[in-house]
Amino acid sequence: GESVGLHLPTLSVQEGDNSIINCAYSNSASDYFIWYKQESGKGPQFIIDIRSNMDKRQGQRVTVLLNKTVKHLSLQIAATQPGDSAVYFCAEGARTSYGKLTFGQGTILTVHP
Amino acid sequence: DSGVTQTPKHLITATGQRVTLRCSPRSGDLSVYWYQQSLDQGLQFLIQYYNGEERAKGNILERFSAQQFPDLHSELNLSSLELGDSALYFCASSVGLGGKQPQHFGDGTRLSIL
Repeated sequence: GESVGLHLPTLSVQEGDNSIINCAYSNSASDYFIWYKQESGKGPQFIIDIRSNMDKRQGQRVTVLLNKTVKHLSLQIAATQPGDSAVYFCAEGARTSYGKLTFGQGTILTVHP
Repeated sequence: DSGVTQTPKHLITATGQRVTLRCSPRSGDLSVYWYQQSLDQGLQFLIQYYNGEERAKGNILERFSAQQFPDLHSELNLSSLELGDSALYFCASSVGLGGKQPQHFGDGTRLSIL
């Protein structure tokens, strides 16, 4: 039969704007969360991670927020640049699962100059 | 550059065949992970090796197998290939057993089954 591709959410922003990418996770036992950026033809690139004992973590131009009550994760990118255009994935892991990461479907971010 | 090296970058083969994908982890990393990325399933965890031993397994088909060698490089073997096995196969590595540390990905092997 015909395969149906994933329909990824998209976010389109202007250069210089702030971007917020959201992710819902499903496993209450997950205690580690990570954001990746994937550009065309490349592998996922680590952006930032956060453990479940934290609700916010900041990096260079990026902030991750974790709300365990509603099982929600977000990635904020400040002053978005055209080079930020990519697919962004959240992933969750649990200590009991060793290194297995479960990835979300991804969000396509397009930054217009 | 993540430091994870995967070869080959592209593989084209036919149904029923067998292929081997190779991964060299980042220097110092003991864990190697394999993931499959397809249009309809997204990124799916296949298997993890730590210092030569299998540590975690995902939805890996019985036709697929992997191993990690004493020099820590890993190979993923795919046999009796089917059209549906066409996908990107990524290798990732991390320092320890995993769980709360980032995995660093290679640029993948694109497998096309004709």
